[in-house]
Amino acid sequence: AQSVTQLDSHVSVSEGTPVLLRCNYSSSYSPSLFWYVQHPNKGLQLLLKYTSAATLVKGINGFEAEFKKSETSFHLTKPSAHMSDAAEYFCVVSVRLTGGGNKLTFGTGTQLKVEL
Amino acid sequence: DTGVSQDPRHKITKRGQNVTFRCDPISEHNRLYWYRQTLGQGPEFLTYFQNEAQLEKSRLLSDRFSAERPKGSFSTLEIQRTEQGDSAMYLCASSLGASSADTQYFGPGTRLTVL
Repeated sequence: AQSVTQLDSHVSVSEGTPVLLRCNYSSSYSPSLFWYVQHPNKGLQLLLKYTSAATLVKGINGFEAEFKKSETSFHLTKPSAHMSDAAEYFCVVSVRLTGGGNKLTFGTGTQLKVEL
Repeated sequence: DTGVSQDPRHKITKRGQNVTFRCDPISEHNRLYWYRQTLGQGPEFLTYFQNEAQLEKSRLLSDRFSAERPKGSFSTLEIQRTEQGDSAMYLCASSLGASSADTQYFGPGTRLTVL
């Protein structure tokens, strides 16, 4: 079965410093992996996705993630945090469904706090 | 493209009552998904439609839950005889259906509180 584990439930950084949100995955085949962000009172927004093309994936708002098969990891990074990055981040693995759809299996989330 | 919309945004009901939620996907998206998110957790898959056909249901979707997408456009999720454990955020997502890993776009959710 496909699953993801987010290693930190809370991460706190200072504005302007790097962000690292860690995610490990478990999959019996080459997975499709995503990072979504959820701001308070707003819908989930896709940050980036990996679908077996380039292992370094660039997303919106300066975020990127690197797929490392040997480590079964898909960590999310950003060089410099901004106050507006404060939100909950979900690592997600996709499972193919009947008819071609895909079920998203979410991690438990990492709450990112950005301090002045 | 107005995004995925859900109605209502909030619903408070008493235990034992029936509730119905509506989801309007992005136009021309032929795949529609329902998820449930409880406090402090990530969303969990409930069910999936390809056009009007309901192709997959999670074991989380008990007999009290029913979902429809009658014309392959909007969808409704009904919960009968609500229980306090049904309190959660119900999220709808849609995707174009161009590939097996196409992006799912989420609506703002309907927050259900069962008293």
